[in-house]
Order: sequence, then structure tokens, then C-alpha cells
Amino acid sequence: AQSVTQPDIHITVSEGASLELRCNYSYGATPYLFWYVQSPGQGLQLLLKYFSGDTLVQGIKGFEAEFKRSQSSFNLRKPSVHWSDAAEYFCAAASNTGKLIFGQGTTLQVKP
Amino acid sequence: ETGVTQTPRHLVMGMTNKKSLKCEQHLGHNAMYWYKQSAKKPLELMFVYNFKEQTENNSVPSRFSPECPNSSHLFLHLHTLQPEDSALYLCASSQELARNTDTQYFGPGTRLTVL
Repeated sequence: AQSVTQPDIHITVSEGASLELRCNYSYGATPYLFWYVQSPGQGLQLLLKYFSGDTLVQGIKGFEAEFKRSQSSFNLRKPSVHWSDAAEYFCAAASNTGKLIFGQGTTLQVKP
Repeated sequence: ETGVTQTPRHLVMGMTNKKSLKCEQHLGHNAMYWYKQSAKKPLELMFVYNFKEQTENNSVPSRFSPECPNSSHLFLHLHTLQPEDSALYLCASSQELARNTDTQYFGPGTRLTVL
């Protein structure tokens, strides 16, 4: 069965430090992968998505993610974190019927 | 994301009440979704509609009843809920189901508390 795993439930980084959030997927065919962010009290906002082609994808707010088929991973990165990046981050994979399968989410806390 | 709106944003109800959640999308999409987001759990897909037809009911209890009168509106009717139904209910839309390259756009959610 298709699944998405985010190994880190909670991550704390200092403002200005680099960030990497991990995502692993389990899917037989070519996956379609997404990263969403959810600020407190808000819905989910799409950060970026990968369908095919260049394995390094750029998103909004300075985020990027790299698809690594050999590691079944789609990790999200940002070179320098801002306090406003504190939020919950969800990795998701699209099934062949278009439904999204979400990971458990990673809560990011940013220290001043 | 202002393309998908949800009302009310907050709802407190007793177990014997009947209430409805409303979702409206202004994106011209044809697929709409209800998700339940509980603390410490992954998002749970509840219902899916594609071109106004329900295509998925993910083993949701009958005390939750969806309605999709047109492609722009989606309702979730609630009755005799349980305290464990307290959660954030998110609505989303996408261009079409069965196109796994389509992005789902989410509303801000309705925070439901069942007393």
C-alpha cells in the first residue's frame, strides 16, 4: 500500500540556520509528491510539488525539495529559516486516482 | 488561500445538535474533498466528490452526511456527534479527480468542538 512517512514529529532550529525536513514514501510507480505548510489556525498551503524532470524543485517562500528515487525520499530544505516559518509541514503523495496520502506532519519551531 | 472558503470557522455543538459545515470554492474546480484533522494524527480523507458525484466514502460514520449540490459548494451535515469527533475539518478542491498531477487547494478549516 502507498504510504508517506515523516520521521520527525517535532524539529527546533535557530533563526537563520538551515532546515531539512525528511519525507519517505512507499509507492511502486512514479510518485507525485507534494509539500504543504499549515500555519496555526489555517488550512494547508502548497509549498512545492514534484511530478517529473529535474529532481530539485523550487517552491515558494525560499523552500526547495529534492527527489531521490534510490532513497525513496523527498526532503524539504531551506538555507536560512525565518521566525515566520514556524508551522506544521506535511509531505504528501498522490495515488493514481488523484487522492493525496499525507504523512503525519512535522512541527517546526524556530528559536530567536 | 482565498480560493476555498469555509464557514463557520469555529463551531461548538452538543451531542444532540444538528449543524452543517459549508465549503465554497471559487477556482472552477470539479473535485471537492472533506478531510478530518485530529491532533497527532495524519489527515484523514472522509469524502470525495467529482463532478457532484460522491466517489469516496472512507468508512465515515453515518452521523456525518455530505452534500454537493454543485461543483462549487460542498456541505457536511452533522448530527448526534460524539466528543471524539472534535477536530479541524478541512475542505479542499482540485481540477479533477483521477488526475494525480492536480494540486489540491485547501480552505482554512472549521474547528469543531463537540461537548
